[in-house]
Amino acid sequence: GQNIDQPTEMTATEGAIVQINCTYQTSGFNGLFWYQQHAGEAPTFLSYNVLDGLEEKGRFSSFLSRSKGYSYLLLKELQMKDSASYLCAVRDHQRGNNRLAFGKGNQVVVIP
Amino acid sequence: EAQVTQNPRYLITVTGKKLTVTCSQNMNHEYMSWYRQDPGLGLRQIYYSMNVEVTDKGDVPEGYKVSRKEKRNFPLILESPSPNQTSLYFCASSLPGQGMNGYTFGSGTRLTVV
Repeated sequence: GQNIDQPTEMTATEGAIVQINCTYQTSGFNGLFWYQQHAGEAPTFLSYNVLDGLEEKGRFSSFLSRSKGYSYLLLKELQMKDSASYLCAVRDHQRGNNRLAFGKGNQVVVIP
Repeated sequence: EAQVTQNPRYLITVTGKKLTVTCSQNMNHEYMSWYRQDPGLGLRQIYYSMNVEVTDKGDVPEGYKVSRKEKRNFPLILESPSPNQTSLYFCASSLPGQGMNGYTFGSGTRLTVV
């Protein structure tokens, strides 16, 4: 099975940097996704990692270490609109058609 | 515009009254899935479909049915809704194995069963 763990909530100041961690245990790892979800809205895709290392996309970067079962999402130059829940999702090739399993999400609150 | 469309957006119903939540995608995706999202529990998969006429149970399928008669549509059916099915529901679609872009989600359906 899969076990995906994320801290539940953090508060950060506008303009700051915040790191959101995700640890996972899975038998057939085949990629990790980060999604952003504003309250009551659909999750939207942010980033994808399948190999170890850092992927950078503008203000957002995501890191993966497969040997440690660990990923983080880095949000730089925080803006008020970044207040949202950030979901980590792991793809497992041993779960029918590489199904995604989601963590419970980390709520980020950006304050002025 | 490439999208996943769910209807209705909000629904309040009574226990035992059959309902269907529709989901349609215009991206020619083979893979479609239904999730429910509850506070403290995150997104949990109900059912998924790898292609037309191919469906399978996810992690929480009890009390739900689905069908996939056409590639673009994947309705979620609650034959006899109960209050514990009050939740926020999302339909999602993707290429096989999600590729590098993961799922595209619909806007969600907030269901309340009283």
